[in-house]
Amino acid sequence: AQTVTQSQPEMSVQEAETVTLSCTYDTSESDYYLFWYKQPPSRQMILVIRQEAYKQQNATENRFSVNFQKAAKSFSLKISDSQLGDAAMYFCAYRTLRNRDDKIIFGKGTRLHILP
Amino acid sequence: SQTIHQWPATLVQPVGSPLSLECTVEGTSNPNLYWYRQAAGRGLQLLFYSVGIGQISSEVPQNLSASRPQDRQFILSSKKLLLSDSGFYLCAWNREGRNSPLHFGNGTRLTVT
Repeated sequence: AQTVTQSQPEMSVQEAETVTLSCTYDTSESDYYLFWYKQPPSRQMILVIRQEAYKQQNATENRFSVNFQKAAKSFSLKISDSQLGDAAMYFCAYRTLRNRDDKIIFGKGTRLHILP
Repeated sequence: SQTIHQWPATLVQPVGSPLSLECTVEGTSNPNLYWYRQAAGRGLQLLFYSVGIGQISSEVPQNLSASRPQDRQFILSSKKLLLSDSGFYLCAWNREGRNSPLHFGNGTRLTVT
């Protein structure tokens, strides 16, 4: 079974600095999708960025980018120029696409604090 | 545009009482549907998912059940709630395509007393 591990329960970063959140996953599949979601205090889940496993190029969305290392099964999220609004819980997620077993598994999350 | 509705927003129920949480999606057909529970320190735990009417996959055997009586309706139920059922429940949907992200409802805060 697939698992997603976020080893950093909490992190802090100074405003305007850069921070990297780590995520590793375990799978025997070669075709899958990876996501990062943000959950602010409102508890609404917001998609931050997504990465296709068969694409080597790292995804980028404005200040958010990923470092996808398929062989190492690592999918870290880098937030540049951190802003106060980035304070939230961040979840890494894995989507399997095998045999219509279309489920999405999340890690336990990393709570990110932005220091003014 | 597609929207997802989940209700109620909050619920306080005594131990042993039944539960019914409902989720509906508008603006799309044949969505994949999911129920997640978020408890402190455990992240988002996948409870059930469905790729079609009457097709329910359970990830966590427990006293909860799910049903999909209509294409865009997903119901989470329990006959007798336990204290450990307290948590924040999220319904979500996506399309079958590989790059379709999850779209979440606003969640239900369930407190079992």
